[in-house]
Amino acid sequence: DSGVTQTPKHLITATGQRVTLRCSPRSGDLSVYWYQQSLDQGLQFLIQYYNGEERAKGNILERFSAQQFPDLHSELNLSSLELGDSALYFCASSVVGITGDNEQFFGPGTRLTVL
Amino acid sequence: AQKVTQAQTEISVVEKEDVTLDCVYETRDTTYYLFWYKQPPSGELVFLIRRNSFDEQNEISGRYSWNFQKSTSSFNFTITASQVVDSAVYFCALRGPTGNQFYFGTGTSLTVIP
Repeated sequence: DSGVTQTPKHLITATGQRVTLRCSPRSGDLSVYWYQQSLDQGLQFLIQYYNGEERAKGNILERFSAQQFPDLHSELNLSSLELGDSALYFCASSVVGITGDNEQFFGPGTRLTVL
Repeated sequence: AQKVTQAQTEISVVEKEDVTLDCVYETRDTTYYLFWYKQPPSGELVFLIRRNSFDEQNEISGRYSWNFQKSTSSFNFTITASQVVDSAVYFCALRGPTGNQFYFGTGTSLTVIP
């Protein structure tokens, strides 16, 4: 158990809908990262937050947004969902996130299925 | 550009055989960090090792060992006397000097046959 929690574990929804994925980092970790893992794209970095502020953006679509709250939990919002958004979404956290020498600890993931 | 290549998509070995998973990386940073993660069938990603660019010492942890060679930009992972529980997808990853983007390879799926 990494200490990172994600809810829900599974989510099934329809195209055009909007969903929110939630992540609670390990106790003491200030950085939260979101990743998308799909069969054809592999593991793709989406976005990073550090202590409530956006720190880095990766391959995140405009239909997707995220935020980190004062209690450090984070939410990833996916809107106008398409079939291609079906994937496993991981959240990870690390102690600092300013330097690169901290490993990231991953949550169990949320499997999103868009029908 | 930062890039991680894991050329081996799938590997199958018989239990107790040794197996090496290859990882080749590209970066222009002089300071960088390399990682290996394991993703068992249950889906979670499990951290295995971190290595910084200034430390080329090879590391051994039980049946696992890692060979970091800057000259060939490789960070290979060897499992000795493989076991069925080693069956998983293994990801190599690269980070630069700041804690931002994390670049993953496409993973190597290892199947250990009993």
